[in-house]
Amino acid sequence: DAMVIQNPRYQVTQFGKPVTLSCSQTLNHNVMYWYQQKSSQAPKLLFHYYDKDFNNEADTPDNFQSRRPNTSFCFLDIRSPGLGDAAMYLCATSRQQHKQGRREGKLFFGSGTQLSVL
Amino acid sequence: AQKITQTQPGMFVQEKEAVTLDCTYDTSDPSYGLFWYKQPSSGEMIFLIYQGSYDQQNATEGRYSLNFQKARKSANLVISASQLGDSAMYFCAMRPFNAGGTSYGKLTFGQGTILTVHP
Repeated sequence: DAMVIQNPRYQVTQFGKPVTLSCSQTLNHNVMYWYQQKSSQAPKLLFHYYDKDFNNEADTPDNFQSRRPNTSFCFLDIRSPGLGDAAMYLCATSRQQHKQGRREGKLFFGSGTQLSVL
Repeated sequence: AQKITQTQPGMFVQEKEAVTLDCTYDTSDPSYGLFWYKQPSSGEMIFLIYQGSYDQQNATEGRYSLNFQKARKSANLVISASQLGDSAMYFCAMRPFNAGGTSYGKLTFGQGTILTVHP
């Protein structure tokens, strides 16, 4: 039944060692997002894909990259993780919402990947 | 730019009682959507309820209802008959509609409220 799947649930990496987090979806949604959530804080949007169009947030560090090879999969690459990158990383999907149609267009979240940096 | 404010870092409620979680927002967008999500300790964000700024009636979803006061820019979540399983972090979030009247869900979150339900 899982609709947005993130692997792994827990990821440990070393300082400076590249790491990739993965997300897949069975909803066929056209929009996919990556959020970073540090302990007891609100999720912060890093970037999102609208179909194949990549949209980076202005304050997302260059250290964070993303790939979306097809509709179902999206990856988050952290090129050189620092201690400050330890966080929960949440993947989410949505359909484009049409105001007149009044579809909610809510975000469906995965369970997240908890990243630790040693 | 949008801003969501949740002024209650933590709330306590007795089991079976009702509780209100506050949310105010600030936006210059003429139309937008408001959401509440629940995040238990497991980390998954669970959608609870949605309110469109153009909706005339307050949204309800089972034990959840949204007290939407557009003029005051507030969207408080009311949980009736609290259960032990309601203990979690609760986030209020907002997404604007663009000039074309569509949006694809770029949510801005508040800081969250930790709800603890006592037996």
